[in-house]
Amino acid sequence: AQSVTQLGSHVSVSEGALVLLRCNYSSSVPPYLFWYVQYPNQGLQLLLKYTTGATLVKGINGFEAEFKKSETSFHLTKPSAHMSDAAEYFCAVSDDAGGTSYGKLTFGQGTILTVHP
Amino acid sequence: ETGVTQTPRHLVMGMTNKKSLKCEQHLGHNAMYWYKQSAKKPLELMFVYSLEERVENNSVPSRFSPECPNSSHLFLHLHTLQPEDSALYLCASSQEEGQNYEQYFGPGTRLTVT
Repeated sequence: AQSVTQLGSHVSVSEGALVLLRCNYSSSVPPYLFWYVQYPNQGLQLLLKYTTGATLVKGINGFEAEFKKSETSFHLTKPSAHMSDAAEYFCAVSDDAGGTSYGKLTFGQGTILTVHP
Repeated sequence: ETGVTQTPRHLVMGMTNKKSLKCEQHLGHNAMYWYKQSAKKPLELMFVYSLEERVENNSVPSRFSPECPNSSHLFLHLHTLQPEDSALYLCASSQEEGQNYEQYFGPGTRLTVT
């Protein structure tokens, strides 16, 4: 069974500071990894994803994440936080261990990012 | 309309009411999903439809009844709900090709059961 752990339910940073949101996963097969963002009263929007290939993936709004197999991690970073980055962020993992052709995503608990002026 | 749309955006219903949530995807996808998002809980996958067939039902109470009449539309019929069913209900869709597994979400329906 796959699982996702996001360390820290709340992260607070100053505007212009580095953003680091942590995600660790467990999966019995090579995973597909995703970061989604949710703004208040909205659905989830895909920030970036890792499937195969380059382990450093870049997404929208200046975010990037690095897949580290040895650490089973997929942490999300952004060099300089902006006020508009304040939202809830979800890490998710999917694999095809179940032999399905549709996507089964397992989500972490979410991390609320607050950005202070 | 583009992407995934959901109606209504907000719904308040009594425990004896019957209502339906609607989801429509304009992306040409062939898999659709219902999720429940409660405060302080991870997203819970409720149902999955692939090629209009229900392929997953994650121990959801029978007071929730999904329907997928075609690949673009997904409904969640609600009856005799409980207050603990109050949550944000999210619909998502994806395309089955290769192993993409990328899901696109709608804005959700905020359900309050009184």
